[in-house]
Amino acid sequence: ETGVTQTPRHLVMGMTNKKSLKCEQHLGHNAMYWYKQSAKKPLELMFVYNFKEQTENNSVPSRFSPECPNSSHLFLHLHTLQPEDSALYLCASSQDEEAQETQYFGPGTRLLVL
Amino acid sequence: GQQLNQSPQSMFIQEGEDVSMNCTSSSIFNTWLWYKQDPGEGPVLLIALYKAGELTSNGRLTAQFGITRKDSFLNISASIPSDVGIYFCAGHQPFQGAQKLVFGQGTRLTINP
Repeated sequence: ETGVTQTPRHLVMGMTNKKSLKCEQHLGHNAMYWYKQSAKKPLELMFVYNFKEQTENNSVPSRFSPECPNSSHLFLHLHTLQPEDSALYLCASSQDEEAQETQYFGPGTRLLVL
Repeated sequence: GQQLNQSPQSMFIQEGEDVSMNCTSSSIFNTWLWYKQDPGEGPVLLIALYKAGELTSNGRLTAQFGITRKDSFLNISASIPSDVGIYFCAGHQPFQGAQKLVFGQGTRLTINP
């Protein structure tokens, strides 16, 4: 148990569906992240939020839309995804942006786009 | 973007053997982190290194921050079945933002009982 939870753990959706991934951290951290993990590839950073403000968008397609209502919650809204978007989506959190803080990961949401 | 070269990509060993894996880069890093990922789970932090030359242990695991700041290794002694998984190195580069972690591609460890 890392203190970062993600729901759902598994998701199957069609290309025309709209769904959302949820992440919650219980560590009192101020920064939260979304990563994409595809087979045989390094983890790809998608978005970074610090104190609820987006500080990084790593050239992610607009069919992925993040939302951070507070420092403990992070969402990833999905719409009109493509089959190549199938992957494990990981949420992480860290204390803040000033130090070289380690990041703590949630268990991930395994997404399959049909 | 900058990538970390992690090797080996996979290892098949007997239970009880020692394991060694490493990460290298052409650029310097300010921190090195080692994570382990079990199937169906997210990466879990094993060891964090913050200074060049630093050698840190966590039980049977030992990791070092290379003196050139361009590499790191992770050793596992006397492997046991629960060591199976994928091990990732990751690091922060100077001037790239404290939050941008660069990851290696992982080392998949398989243990034969």
